[in-house]
Amino acid sequence: AQSVAQPEDQVNVAEGNPLTVKCTYSVSGNPYLFWYVQYPNRGLQFLLKYITGDNLVKGSYGFEAEFNKSQTSFHLKKPSALVSDSALYFCAVRDVEGGSQGNLIFGKGTKLSVKP
Amino acid sequence: EPEVTQTPSHQVTQMGQEVILRCVPISNHLYFYWYRQILGQKVEFLVSFYNNEISEKSEIFDDQFSVERPDGSNFTLKIRSTKLEDSAMYFCASKRVGNQPQHFGDGTRLSIL
Repeated sequence: AQSVAQPEDQVNVAEGNPLTVKCTYSVSGNPYLFWYVQYPNRGLQFLLKYITGDNLVKGSYGFEAEFNKSQTSFHLKKPSALVSDSALYFCAVRDVEGGSQGNLIFGKGTKLSVKP
Repeated sequence: EPEVTQTPSHQVTQMGQEVILRCVPISNHLYFYWYRQILGQKVEFLVSFYNNEISEKSEIFDDQFSVERPDGSNFTLKIRSTKLEDSAMYFCASKRVGNQPQHFGDGTRLSIL
């Protein structure tokens, strides 16, 4: 079965410092990986995706993620955190088994808190 | 930028009642989804819909649930007889094709009393 793990419930970072939100995955074939962000009382907002190609993927708001096949990881990173980055971050893998239409399997989410 | 819109933002219903959650996907999208998020838990897939029929559904999506695309714009989720454990945030999502990302609405918070 396909799954996503986000090992940290919360990540605390000082503004201006680099941030990393961790994600590992388990899939049977090639993974399609996504990061979404959720602000309070809002839906999930797409940040970036990895389908194929360069392992370093750049997305919205200065975020990037590195696909590492050997470690089955897709960690989200940003060189310099902003207070406004504080939100809930979800890693997701697309279900490609059984000819699905690509529903997403989500991790449990990581709360990012950026302090001034 | 076009958005997925969901109504209502909050629905309070008595246990056993029927509820319909409404979604307007992005207009040129072809794939439609419902997910739910129980408070404090992860987002879970419910159902996907393509070409006017259900393409996949999860174990959660039992006979109490149904989806419909009654016209060219709306996509609805109906829960026939609500239970307390149906209380959750329900998200609608859509995507254009293939490997494009899914775009999510802001959700409907369903509270069953």
